[in-house]
Amino acid sequence: DADVTQTPRNRITKTGKRIMLECSQTKGHDRMYWYRQDPGLGLRLIYYSFDVKDINKGEISDGYSVSRQAQAKFSLSLESAIPNQTALYFCATSGATASKNNEQFFGPGTRLTVL
Amino acid sequence: GDSVTQMEGPVTLSEEAFLTINCTYTATGYPSLFWYVQYPGEGLQLLLKATKADDKGSNKGFEATYRKETTSFHLEKGSVQVSDSAVYFCALTSAPSNTGKLIFGQGTTLQVKP
Repeated sequence: DADVTQTPRNRITKTGKRIMLECSQTKGHDRMYWYRQDPGLGLRLIYYSFDVKDINKGEISDGYSVSRQAQAKFSLSLESAIPNQTALYFCATSGATASKNNEQFFGPGTRLTVL
Repeated sequence: GDSVTQMEGPVTLSEEAFLTINCTYTATGYPSLFWYVQYPGEGLQLLLKATKADDKGSNKGFEATYRKETTSFHLEKGSVQVSDSAVYFCALTSAPSNTGKLIFGQGTTLQVKP
């Protein structure tokens, strides 16, 4: 079984709809991250969480919110989706050691299309 | 702020050709440097990393050396295979921050033809 799972894998929605993307992990990691990937721009950080009570904004958090329901679960919400939020979204996890060397482990991604 | 710049893609090579994907960075302090690979339809996975100047990361025949003097971390492989076709991302985490946040380059698509 995959260590980091994301649901749904694909989603098509309309402008103005509320969307939730879910991420679960079985790696026992404390740190979780949400990124979006756009062609030619690489991955950009939306939000990150060090534990259930520690949520932080990344570089492109506007229009998004997150919820850390448990150590293993980290959800990303688009309260009112707009077309320029069409992208590939990745969840990632890493260990809690305060190290800049820690590897991040990525889920398979959710492809979101906003019409 | 910190940033990573990769060479423009796509890169198209024949099997057994030599590969270089250029990566340069701008960072304060002493970053750790990473190469991640994304195979079609999958998430990213770590390919190799280097945590200090002059370190060489290597894995699966790929290598990259942390060059502080040229702020570079170029990815190389002596003989590519069709199975190496993927998108390659250079990334860094910057010190002294302990957040573990990754800053990515824009990605370089590699296509290897038989």
